[in-house]
Amino acid sequence: DTGVSQNPRHKITKRGQNVTFRCDPISEHNRLYWYRQTLGQGPEFLTYFQNEAQLEKSRLLSDRFSAERPKGSFSTLEIQRTEQGDSAMYLCASGTGLAEQYFGPGTRLTVT
Amino acid sequence: LAKTTQPISMDSYEGQEVNITCSHNNIATNDYITWYQQFPSQGPRFIIQGYKTKVTNEVASLFIPADRKSSTLSLPRVSLSDTAVYYCLVVALQGGKLIFGQGTELSVKP
Repeated sequence: DTGVSQNPRHKITKRGQNVTFRCDPISEHNRLYWYRQTLGQGPEFLTYFQNEAQLEKSRLLSDRFSAERPKGSFSTLEIQRTEQGDSAMYLCASGTGLAEQYFGPGTRLTVT
Repeated sequence: LAKTTQPISMDSYEGQEVNITCSHNNIATNDYITWYQQFPSQGPRFIIQGYKTKVTNEVASLFIPADRKSSTLSLPRVSLSDTAVYYCLVVALQGGKLIFGQGTELSVKP
């Protein structure tokens, strides 16, 4: 399968714990995006990378959130001290810089 | 990026043609109109993109009038599997982040 993959697909954690998600983009794509989606809403942009450089971060990305793409390939999104409001689907997408982005299946986070 | 407005929901029956209209009054010269489809518990999937007039692919057609302030996604002969949320987005030519609205929830009935 040469699509975007995300791991884990589901994560249940207790409030206050740290969680980390991984995204493996399509190999030839230099851009990687993170979005968050809550029930009934469209995805909200969080951040994106071009190769290993993080080019833009949303105001939604509080200090508890950090994303990396160390070698310009896979990316990780870490949430520290999780809160119940962090419960959402976290989506990763990759692309070549044009409008079409390829989305992964998402990681569903539940904070109890 | 221009804000988009589209109906929250639509109902249709199998075999019918479905047209979903989106307004984007403040679209800029370098912006493209792009549509995505999303099934429950999946990431969005690109459907079609256009700049002006008409674009057609194997899935849908996109009609854009000369003033580009609106666009219409046309799905021919829908089936039950076309039940999904459809998002209209205005995207800069050079790409970058996507700004999603609430989308249109299409329900196709037998």
